[in-house]
Amino acid sequence: RKEVEQDPGPFNVPEGATVAFNCTYSNSASQSFFWYRQDCRKEPKLLMSVYSSGNEDGRFTAQLNRASQYISLLIRDSKLSDSATYLCVVSPNAGNNRKLIWGLGTSLAVNP
Amino acid sequence: DGGITQSPKYLFRKEGQNVTLSCEQNLNHDAMYWYRQDPGQGLRLIYYSQIVNDFQKGDIAEGYSVSREKKESFPLTVTSAQKNPTAFYLCASSMVATDTQYFGPGTRLTVL
Repeated sequence: RKEVEQDPGPFNVPEGATVAFNCTYSNSASQSFFWYRQDCRKEPKLLMSVYSSGNEDGRFTAQLNRASQYISLLIRDSKLSDSATYLCVVSPNAGNNRKLIWGLGTSLAVNP
Repeated sequence: DGGITQSPKYLFRKEGQNVTLSCEQNLNHDAMYWYRQDPGQGLRLIYYSQIVNDFQKGDIAEGYSVSREKKESFPLTVTSAQKNPTAFYLCASSMVATDTQYFGPGTRLTVL
């Protein structure tokens, strides 16, 4: 089993749709979780950290399910500008910067 | 403006030549990282440094070298020993106490 797994997609959705991605991780001791966004041929940019209680930032909601070892990202009211690859990132140990485990990403295309 | 800069954006080199990629940050971050990204693969850690004059190998350090003489700078040298150097190279930085990494715009290296 891969350390971090994501459905590569692509997810093709119309503008205004709600779309959700899941990401599973294998290390039950993992402490920190993130979603990054990467546009084509650009650097990854932090979208949001994922907390145990879940967190929301505008149209984006992230959830953590420790029992089932997955994190999720929900995007409401999709915009054309949301088209990108969404990377799931897991850190096995709190504060252990060197060992972020990166998923391969889920590709999202929002269509007019 | 605080941020991370990488130069050059595109770099072409002949096989057998060493090449040095620049990474500078003015975020006052202690930790800096080098990743490599290939099509269809996740980010792979090459080297990281959590303090000046100290650095550690990541998962794929063979054929690469780094230095950390200043807090702001973490240059990466791709040596002729690196078998497949053509890739997208990303530099990141973070505060030591957190797992959140911020990226520069990347350097796309092509070895001819």
